[in-house]
Amino acid sequence: AQSVTQLDSQVPVFEEAPVELRCNYSSSVSVYLFWYVQYPNQGLQLLLKYLSGSTLVESINGFEAEFNKSQTSFHLRKPSVHISDTAEYFCAVRRGGGNKLTFGTGTQLKVEL
Amino acid sequence: DVKVTQSSRYLVKRTGEKVFLECVQDMDHENMFWYRQDPGLGLRLIYFSYDVKMKEKGDIPEGYSVSREKKERFSLILESASTNQTSMYLCASTQNTGELFFGEGSRLTVL
Repeated sequence: AQSVTQLDSQVPVFEEAPVELRCNYSSSVSVYLFWYVQYPNQGLQLLLKYLSGSTLVESINGFEAEFNKSQTSFHLRKPSVHISDTAEYFCAVRRGGGNKLTFGTGTQLKVEL
Repeated sequence: DVKVTQSSRYLVKRTGEKVFLECVQDMDHENMFWYRQDPGLGLRLIYFSYDVKMKEKGDIPEGYSVSREKKERFSLILESASTNQTSMYLCASTQNTGELFFGEGSRLTVL
């Protein structure tokens, strides 16, 4: 069975500082990888995804993630965070050929002034 | 704009009551899902459906059932609510692209 590990449950960071949210997965087959964001009192929204091709993927609001097959990781990074980035971030993996996503336990990003 | 609508944002029910959570999507998606979200546990899959009248158990189906009579509607049913089913319930749909579209969630409190 595949699993997703987000080691950091909370990450506090000051505004304009860089941030990295870690995600590791376990799977012996090809995977698709996703990062979702959940703002307070809302559902989840897709932030970015890796399906194939370039291992570095970017979102429209400055986040990026790199698929590292040897490390089985898909860490999320942003060089300079904004107060509006405060949210919970979920990493998810889908095994090729299926439609089910397995989610990590989430990382709460708190951006402080 | 794509939309997944969950009928109730907040519900309060008593132990033993039957609870219906409704979800409707307007994207003609074949696949629909019910997840449960709890602090520190992330999202856990309860049931999913890949076609009308078709359903499969997810990771935590005990105490739940589902109904999919029409393509756009996927209902989650708690036959006899218990306090340990107090949670946030999230509905989602996808058309085999891998990307799930989520509703805003239904927060259920069982007293």
